[in-house]
Amino acid sequence: DGGITQSPKYLFRKEGQNVTLSCEQNLNHDAMYWYRQDPGQGLRLIYYSQIVNDFQKGDIAEGYSVSREKKESFPLTVTSAQKNPTAFYLCASTASRQVWGYTFGSGTRLTVV
Amino acid sequence: AQTVTQSQPEMSVQEAETVTLSCTYDTSENNYYLFWYKQPPSRQMILVIRQEAYKQQNATENRFSVNFQKAAKSFSLKISDSQLGDTAMYFCAFIPGAQKLVFGQGTRLTINP
Repeated sequence: DGGITQSPKYLFRKEGQNVTLSCEQNLNHDAMYWYRQDPGQGLRLIYYSQIVNDFQKGDIAEGYSVSREKKESFPLTVTSAQKNPTAFYLCASTASRQVWGYTFGSGTRLTVV
Repeated sequence: AQTVTQSQPEMSVQEAETVTLSCTYDTSENNYYLFWYKQPPSRQMILVIRQEAYKQQNATENRFSVNFQKAAKSFSLKISDSQLGDTAMYFCAFIPGAQKLVFGQGTRLTINP
């Protein structure tokens, strides 16, 4: 079955460390997205990529970095510059001709310890 | 600015009752898509219903229907004959023009037995 796989489901990070969240899709979707979810604030866009080797900042990109070396993969690195990284992170993808057809992964819960 | 506002942080109703969740949005775009997503405790994002702005007819999916008022920029969700499985966070969202999916803050809905 096609879908998006996010790993790990839970991630713990010590302050000052970088961590990378994985997002893989086998839907042959062109565009991929990273959202951050905090209580009472809904989902906010961190980064998105519409094509391999290209990506753009979303609304809250500071302290995060991404890469898009393969169509199937869009990893998100949470750097030590992100002051409040504890949150739930969701990855999504869409086909270029169906921008309304978002598919979401099951998310990664990141906690700073 | 493209924004979505859900004014009801929490709602609670009895099983089998009808409940309406409110949503307003702000955009200068004339063409856009509107959505309601459900996020149960598993945190998987599930599309409930979708509405194209150019369609005057309100979308319906079984027990779920919307009241789309374009001039008022309002997009409410009505759940009829509510069930225990409807308990979840509900997010209103839209895609303004060719831009990215923008979410509201969410409404936590609890269906009581």
